[in-house]
Amino acid sequence: QKEVEQNSGPLSVPEGAIASLNCTYSDRGSQSFFWYRQYSGKSPELIMSIYSNGDKEDGRFTAQLNKASQYVSLLIRDSQPSDSATYLCAVRGAGGTSYGKLTFGQGTILTVHP
Amino acid sequence: EPEVTQTPSHQVTQMGQEVILRCVPISNHLYFYWYRQILGQKVEFLVSFYNNEISEKSEIFDDQFSVERPDGSNFTLKIRSTKLEDSAMYFCASTGTGGLSPLHFGNGTRLTVT
Repeated sequence: QKEVEQNSGPLSVPEGAIASLNCTYSDRGSQSFFWYRQYSGKSPELIMSIYSNGDKEDGRFTAQLNKASQYVSLLIRDSQPSDSATYLCAVRGAGGTSYGKLTFGQGTILTVHP
Repeated sequence: EPEVTQTPSHQVTQMGQEVILRCVPISNHLYFYWYRQILGQKVEFLVSFYNNEISEKSEIFDDQFSVERPDGSNFTLKIRSTKLEDSAMYFCASTGTGGLSPLHFGNGTRLTVT
């Protein structure tokens, strides 16, 4: 069973702080990695994608990938109350096409308090 | 920006009835997916569809489920005889603009089986 595990949370940070979200995956051959944000009752919304080891920055968001450790993380700098949501880690495994399914973690609930 | 659209947004049905959930993927996308999310649980893969056939399906996607692309734009999920445990949010997604690409999700259909 190919698994994606996220730190259980919930995670609460003050406004302006850095929020750190973590994810591990079991399929060593996984090719691509995504972070989605999901507000309550809404659909997943793509925040970041990362495919190579290292860091990838986009505005206040930084994704980090370490394939040797099978670990993906998302840092949110200068957290805002509007960042309060569930963050989903999603992994596309090996063996499929470039358009294969994504496997999601259970999500980490983030609350940013003023 | 192109969107995946789903209808209806909410469907209430009685146990044993058939339901059809509808999706219009992004027009130049080639790969289509259905996911479901039971309240409070993770986003789960149901089925992927490419070139007018199922490319992968999960254990959840049993004989009660079917998918179809009846024309050049619509993508449907049919549940033949709904059960109480089918109550969930159902998300359609599509991709196909390049390798290693993310999934773009519709707003979802909330299915309530009574």
